[in-house]
Amino acid sequence: QKEVEQDPGPLSVPEGAIVSLNCTYSNSAFQYFMWYRQYSRKGPELLMYTYSSGNKEDGRFTAQVDKSSKYISLFIRDSQPSDSATYLCAMSGTGGFKTIFGAGTRLFVKA
Amino acid sequence: GAGVSQSPSNKVTEKGKDVELRCDPISGHTALYWYRQSLGQGLEFLIYFQGNSAPDKSGLPSDRFSAERTGGSVSTLTIQRTQQEDSAVYLCASSEPKRNEQFFGPGTRLTVL
Repeated sequence: QKEVEQDPGPLSVPEGAIVSLNCTYSNSAFQYFMWYRQYSRKGPELLMYTYSSGNKEDGRFTAQVDKSSKYISLFIRDSQPSDSATYLCAMSGTGGFKTIFGAGTRLFVKA
Repeated sequence: GAGVSQSPSNKVTEKGKDVELRCDPISGHTALYWYRQSLGQGLEFLIYFQGNSAPDKSGLPSDRFSAERTGGSVSTLTIQRTQQEDSAVYLCASSEPKRNEQFFGPGTRLTVL
């Protein structure tokens, strides 16, 4: 079993839809949770960064962490075609550097 | 300011040749990471440098892979006697001291024929 599981998709939604992207993990030591967005032939860019459980909102993006269920989510409201990309979840523990990435979910937002 | 830069952006080589990939991290970032991303796969950790500490090489897949970081800045990833399975995008990232957020370069797309 991988430390971080993420459905690779693809996920296709119409413009304006609410998108839900999720990851599950097995290591209870993870404390830092991140979402990266990766456009085709580009490096990943940091989208959201949260510590421990709870919600964090930034514009159209909301990140949720449920440590009791070892489950994290990224919600995108009013999705746009420019949101079409691969979204990778990532997590790491305290006192350590190693960040474990999910395989990424490929999202297509249709105009 | 300038982000992480990598060169070359694309590299095509023949099986058995050696290749060198370069990474210039963001100025002031003491941590530097190398990852490998194969088609449809997540990021595979290769090696981590932090300041003057000994690098963590636990992710290097074989002794054909090595990396160095000179002067705490530029890093070079070397793959000797390349194999077709080495074909992938090699990504470099850097981060500030004691921070988990990593900033990635655009990657080097390596194709081994």
